Amino acid sequence: TQLLEQSPQFLSIQEGENLTVYCNSSSVFSSLQWYRQEPGEGPVLLVTVVTGGEVKKLKRLTFQFGDARKDSSLHITAAQPGDTGLYLCAGRYSGGYQKVTFGTGTKLQVIP
Amino acid sequence: NAGVTQTPKFRVLKTGQSMTLLCAQDMNHEYMYWYRQDPGMGLRLIHYSVGEGTTAKGEVPDGYNVSRLKKQNFLLGLESAAPSQTSVYFCASSYGELFFGEGSRLTVL
Repeated sequence: TQLLEQSPQFLSIQEGENLTVYCNSSSVFSSLQWYRQEPGEGPVLLVTVVTGGEVKKLKRLTFQFGDARKDSSLHITAAQPGDTGLYLCAGRYSGGYQKVTFGTGTKLQVIP
Repeated sequence: NAGVTQTPKFRVLKTGQSMTLLCAQDMNHEYMYWYRQDPGMGLRLIHYSVGEGTTAKGEVPDGYNVSRLKKQNFLLGLESAAPSQTSVYFCASSYGELFFGEGSRLTVL
């Protein structure tokens, strides 16, 4: 069983602060995605990274894929209350493209 | 566009009862997935399908069965429900990005 560990599990910060969420695996990803989920809804895709070392930016969110394609990070600059939610990484492993495994999740609360 | 639709949205079962969750997608996607989400555990893959007539086991398949008789539908069955199957179930379809339904909240007493 391939495991995707996210850290931290919970994060409560003040509006305007920066934060980083990590996603780690012992196996190599063929691609990795980050999703955001709000209460009562299904997850929604934020970004897909494919190439080792890749960095993608989405407004105040910066996503990085590790050089060895075993880890990824999500950095939020100047967090806002609207960023509150559950952040999930999801990986497709080499040799099992169709199977998508999700991480344990990071619950973020941004306090006004 | 409806996207991914799950029915029912809520269900309460007694231990030992059976039920089927229906997932329907209108995006002509080949891949479909069933996940369960428990507090603090993210999403765990139950079963998935890479096309009509095909299914495969995920990480936590025990106690569940699935069928994909039509491309647009993916059914998740519980033959004999147990309290450990109390969870929120999400269906998704995919061509790369996963599109999720709104979830089905199941309680087994």
